[in-house]
Amino acid sequence: ETGVTQTPRHLVMGMTNKKSLKCEQHLGHNAMYWYKQSAKKPLELMFVYSLEERVENNSVPSRFSPECPNSSHLFLHLHTLQPEDSALYLCASSQDRAGGFTGELFFGEGSRLTVL
Amino acid sequence: AQKVTQAQTEISVVEKEDVTLDCVYETRDTTYYLFWYKQPPSGELVFLIRRNSFDEQNEISGRYSWNFQKSTSSFNFTITASQVVDSAVYFCALSEGGSQGNLIFGKGTKLSVKP
Repeated sequence: ETGVTQTPRHLVMGMTNKKSLKCEQHLGHNAMYWYKQSAKKPLELMFVYSLEERVENNSVPSRFSPECPNSSHLFLHLHTLQPEDSALYLCASSQDRAGGFTGELFFGEGSRLTVL
Repeated sequence: AQKVTQAQTEISVVEKEDVTLDCVYETRDTTYYLFWYKQPPSGELVFLIRRNSFDEQNEISGRYSWNFQKSTSSFNFTITASQVVDSAVYFCALSEGGSQGNLIFGKGTKLSVKP
Protein backbone atom coordinates (compact mmCIF):
# COMPACT_ATOMS: atom_id res chain seq x y z
CA GLU A 1 0.00 0.00 0.00
CA THR A 2 1.08 3.54 -0.60
CA GLY A 3 0.17 6.93 0.80
CA VAL A 4 -2.04 7.48 3.81
CA THR A 5 -4.79 5.00 4.60
CA GLN A 6 -7.60 5.50 7.08
CA THR A 7 -9.99 2.99 8.58
CA PRO A 8 -12.87 2.75 8.91
CA ARG A 9 -14.10 4.90 6.03
CA HIS A 10 -17.53 5.22 7.63
CA LEU A 11 -18.52 4.93 11.29
CA VAL A 12 -21.86 5.34 13.01
CA MET A 13 -21.84 5.41 16.78
CA GLY A 14 -24.08 6.27 19.67
CA MET A 15 -23.17 8.89 22.22
CA THR A 16 -22.20 6.30 24.82
CA ASN A 17 -20.00 4.18 22.53
CA LYS A 18 -16.23 4.02 22.46
CA LYS A 19 -14.59 3.64 19.08
CA SER A 20 -11.26 4.41 17.41
CA LEU A 21 -10.16 5.75 14.05
CA LYS A 22 -6.93 4.43 12.60
CA CYS A 23 -4.44 6.05 10.24
CA GLU A 24 -1.37 4.51 8.67
CA GLN A 25 1.17 6.22 6.45
CA HIS A 26 3.61 4.49 4.12
CA LEU A 27 5.60 7.55 3.07
CA GLY A 28 8.42 7.49 5.59
CA HIS A 29 7.21 10.70 7.19
CA ASN A 30 7.73 11.52 10.85
CA ALA A 31 4.87 13.90 11.51
CA MET A 32 1.17 13.03 11.54
CA TYR A 33 -1.98 15.07 11.98
CA TRP A 34 -5.69 14.84 12.64
CA TYR A 35 -7.93 17.37 10.95
CA LYS A 36 -11.70 17.75 11.33
CA GLN A 37 -13.89 18.75 8.39
CA SER A 38 -17.43 19.77 9.35
CA ALA A 39 -20.16 20.71 6.93
CA LYS A 40 -20.17 24.39 7.70
CA LYS A 41 -16.69 25.10 9.02
CA PRO A 42 -13.24 25.25 7.48
CA LEU A 43 -10.87 22.37 8.04
CA GLU A 44 -9.61 22.50 11.61
CA LEU A 45 -6.35 21.10 12.93
CA MET A 46 -6.95 18.89 15.96
CA PHE A 47 -3.62 17.27 16.81
CA VAL A 48 -0.05 17.22 15.54
CA TYR A 49 2.49 14.54 16.34
CA SER A 50 6.12 15.00 15.42
CA LEU A 51 8.51 12.12 16.06
CA GLU A 52 5.70 10.45 18.02
CA GLU A 53 5.37 13.32 20.48
CA ARG A 54 2.34 15.55 20.54
CA VAL A 55 3.43 19.06 19.69
CA GLU A 56 0.12 20.81 19.24
CA ASN A 57 -3.38 20.34 20.55
CA ASN A 58 -5.78 22.99 19.39
CA SER A 59 -8.02 22.96 22.44
CA VAL A 60 -9.83 19.82 21.40
CA PRO A 61 -12.35 18.38 23.91
CA SER A 62 -11.08 15.48 25.98
CA ARG A 63 -13.64 13.13 24.45
CA PHE A 64 -11.13 12.96 21.57
CA SER A 65 -7.94 11.18 22.59
CA PRO A 66 -5.08 10.72 20.11
CA GLU A 67 -2.41 8.05 20.24
CA CYS A 68 0.74 7.79 18.14
CA PRO A 69 2.58 4.54 18.95
CA ASN A 70 5.13 5.01 16.15
CA SER A 71 5.80 7.31 13.22
CA SER A 72 3.64 5.25 10.86
CA HIS A 73 0.47 4.90 12.91
CA LEU A 74 -1.95 7.36 14.42
CA PHE A 75 -5.20 6.69 16.26
CA LEU A 76 -8.06 8.86 17.39
CA HIS A 77 -9.97 7.34 20.28
CA LEU A 78 -13.54 8.51 20.62
CA HIS A 79 -15.82 8.30 23.66
CA THR A 80 -19.05 9.93 24.75
CA LEU A 81 -19.23 12.01 21.60
CA GLN A 82 -21.96 14.49 20.76
CA PRO A 83 -24.01 14.72 17.56
CA GLU A 84 -22.15 17.90 16.65
CA ASP A 85 -18.95 15.84 16.45
CA SER A 86 -20.30 14.24 13.28
CA ALA A 87 -17.79 15.15 10.59
CA LEU A 88 -15.12 13.88 8.22
CA TYR A 89 -11.91 13.21 10.14
CA LEU A 90 -8.84 13.48 7.97
CA CYS A 91 -5.42 12.15 8.78
CA ALA A 92 -2.32 13.61 7.16
CA SER A 93 1.42 13.13 7.28
CA SER A 94 4.51 15.13 6.37
CA GLN A 95 8.16 15.52 7.11
CA ASP A 96 8.61 17.40 10.37
CA ARG A 97 10.35 20.73 10.69
CA ALA A 98 13.77 19.20 11.31
CA GLY A 99 13.33 16.84 8.40
CA GLY A 100 12.55 19.63 5.99
CA PHE A 101 8.90 20.48 6.51
CA THR A 102 7.64 22.20 3.40
CA GLY A 103 4.05 22.55 4.46
CA GLU A 104 2.93 19.89 2.04
CA LEU A 105 0.62 17.50 3.80
CA PHE A 106 -0.39 14.13 2.40
CA PHE A 107 -3.96 13.32 3.33
CA GLY A 108 -5.92 10.13 3.66
CA GLU A 109 -9.45 9.79 2.31
CA GLY A 110 -10.97 10.41 5.72
CA SER A 111 -13.28 8.63 8.12
CA ARG A 112 -16.88 9.83 7.93
CA LEU A 113 -18.23 9.80 11.47
CA THR A 114 -21.91 10.03 12.37
CA VAL A 115 -22.88 10.35 16.02
CA LEU A 116 -26.50 9.49 16.79
CA ALA B 1 -4.81 36.76 13.37
CA GLN B 2 -4.51 34.53 10.36
CA LYS B 3 -7.43 34.08 8.07
CA VAL B 4 -8.14 32.74 4.59
CA THR B 5 -11.20 33.84 2.67
CA GLN B 6 -12.59 32.10 -0.37
CA ALA B 7 -15.58 34.22 -1.24
CA GLN B 8 -16.88 31.91 -3.96
CA THR B 9 -18.79 29.06 -2.38
CA GLU B 10 -19.74 27.33 -5.62
CA ILE B 11 -18.87 27.86 -9.26
CA SER B 12 -20.37 26.07 -12.22
CA VAL B 13 -18.84 26.20 -15.69
CA VAL B 14 -19.13 24.34 -18.94
CA GLU B 15 -16.22 22.25 -20.13
CA LYS B 16 -13.43 24.19 -21.89
CA GLU B 17 -14.26 27.42 -20.09
CA ASP B 18 -11.54 29.12 -18.06
CA VAL B 19 -12.28 29.61 -14.38
CA THR B 20 -10.54 31.56 -11.62
CA LEU B 21 -10.85 30.68 -7.94
CA ASP B 22 -10.19 33.57 -5.59
CA CYS B 23 -8.26 33.47 -2.34
CA VAL B 24 -7.56 36.36 0.02
CA TYR B 25 -5.48 35.90 3.14
CA GLU B 26 -4.60 37.79 6.31
CA THR B 27 -1.46 37.38 8.35
CA ARG B 28 0.89 39.54 10.39
CA ASP B 29 3.91 37.35 9.69
CA THR B 30 6.41 38.34 7.05
CA THR B 31 7.28 34.70 6.44
CA TYR B 32 4.41 32.51 5.45
CA TYR B 33 3.36 29.90 2.93
CA LEU B 34 0.29 29.67 0.75
CA PHE B 35 -1.19 26.49 -0.64
CA TRP B 36 -3.92 25.17 -2.86
CA TYR B 37 -5.40 21.73 -2.27
CA LYS B 38 -7.99 19.85 -4.30
CA GLN B 39 -10.58 17.58 -2.68
CA PRO B 40 -12.27 15.25 -5.18
CA PRO B 41 -15.42 13.34 -4.21
CA SER B 42 -13.30 10.50 -2.81
CA GLY B 43 -12.39 12.76 0.11
CA GLU B 44 -8.61 13.02 0.30
CA LEU B 45 -7.05 16.44 -0.12
CA VAL B 46 -4.47 16.55 -2.89
CA PHE B 47 -1.67 19.09 -2.75
CA LEU B 48 -1.46 21.33 -5.82
CA ILE B 49 1.02 24.09 -5.05
CA ARG B 50 2.98 25.90 -2.32
CA ARG B 51 4.31 29.45 -2.49
CA ASN B 52 6.41 31.23 0.09
CA SER B 53 5.93 34.87 0.92
CA PHE B 54 9.20 35.92 -0.68
CA ASP B 55 8.43 34.50 -4.08
CA GLU B 56 5.81 36.45 -5.99
CA GLN B 57 6.51 34.83 -9.31
CA ASN B 58 3.40 33.46 -10.91
CA GLU B 59 3.45 29.81 -11.75
CA ILE B 60 1.98 27.73 -14.52
CA SER B 61 1.63 23.98 -14.51
CA GLY B 62 -0.19 22.66 -17.53
CA ARG B 63 -3.74 24.01 -17.42
CA TYR B 64 -3.25 25.39 -13.90
CA SER B 65 -1.82 28.78 -13.08
CA TRP B 66 -1.48 30.78 -9.88
CA ASN B 67 -1.33 34.53 -9.40
CA PHE B 68 0.26 35.63 -6.11
CA GLN B 69 -0.04 39.34 -5.29
CA LYS B 70 1.22 40.49 -1.89
CA SER B 71 -0.09 44.00 -2.48
CA THR B 72 -3.66 42.70 -2.41
CA SER B 73 -2.98 39.63 -0.19
CA SER B 74 -4.37 37.38 -2.87
CA PHE B 75 -3.38 34.02 -4.26
CA ASN B 76 -5.76 33.21 -7.09
CA PHE B 77 -5.93 29.97 -9.02
CA THR B 78 -6.94 29.71 -12.67
CA ILE B 79 -7.87 26.58 -14.56
CA THR B 80 -7.67 27.00 -18.32
CA ALA B 81 -9.89 24.92 -20.62
CA SER B 82 -11.62 23.22 -17.69
CA GLN B 83 -12.49 19.55 -17.83
CA VAL B 84 -15.09 17.43 -16.05
CA VAL B 85 -12.30 15.82 -14.00
CA ASP B 86 -11.56 19.23 -12.50
CA SER B 87 -14.84 19.06 -10.58
CA ALA B 88 -13.90 19.12 -6.91
CA VAL B 89 -13.71 21.36 -3.89
CA TYR B 90 -10.62 23.56 -3.92
CA PHE B 91 -9.09 24.87 -0.72
CA CYS B 92 -6.67 27.71 -0.27
CA ALA B 93 -4.54 27.53 2.89
CA LEU B 94 -2.01 29.59 4.82
CA SER B 95 0.81 28.44 7.05
CA GLU B 96 2.93 30.84 9.05
CA GLY B 97 6.67 30.39 9.22
CA GLY B 98 7.60 28.14 12.10
CA SER B 99 4.24 26.45 12.43
CA GLN B 100 4.19 22.68 12.17
CA GLY B 101 1.34 21.53 10.01
CA ASN B 102 -1.08 24.14 11.24
CA LEU B 103 -2.55 25.11 7.93
CA ILE B 104 -5.33 27.66 8.12
CA PHE B 105 -7.81 26.66 5.46
CA GLY B 106 -10.44 28.68 3.67
CA LYS B 107 -13.95 27.26 3.48
CA GLY B 108 -13.36 25.99 -0.03
CA THR B 109 -14.86 26.60 -3.44
CA LYS B 110 -16.88 23.83 -5.02
CA LEU B 111 -16.21 23.73 -8.75
CA SER B 112 -18.60 21.87 -11.03
CA VAL B 113 -17.55 21.43 -14.63
CA LYS B 114 -20.38 20.27 -16.86
CA PRO B 115 -19.87 18.51 -20.19
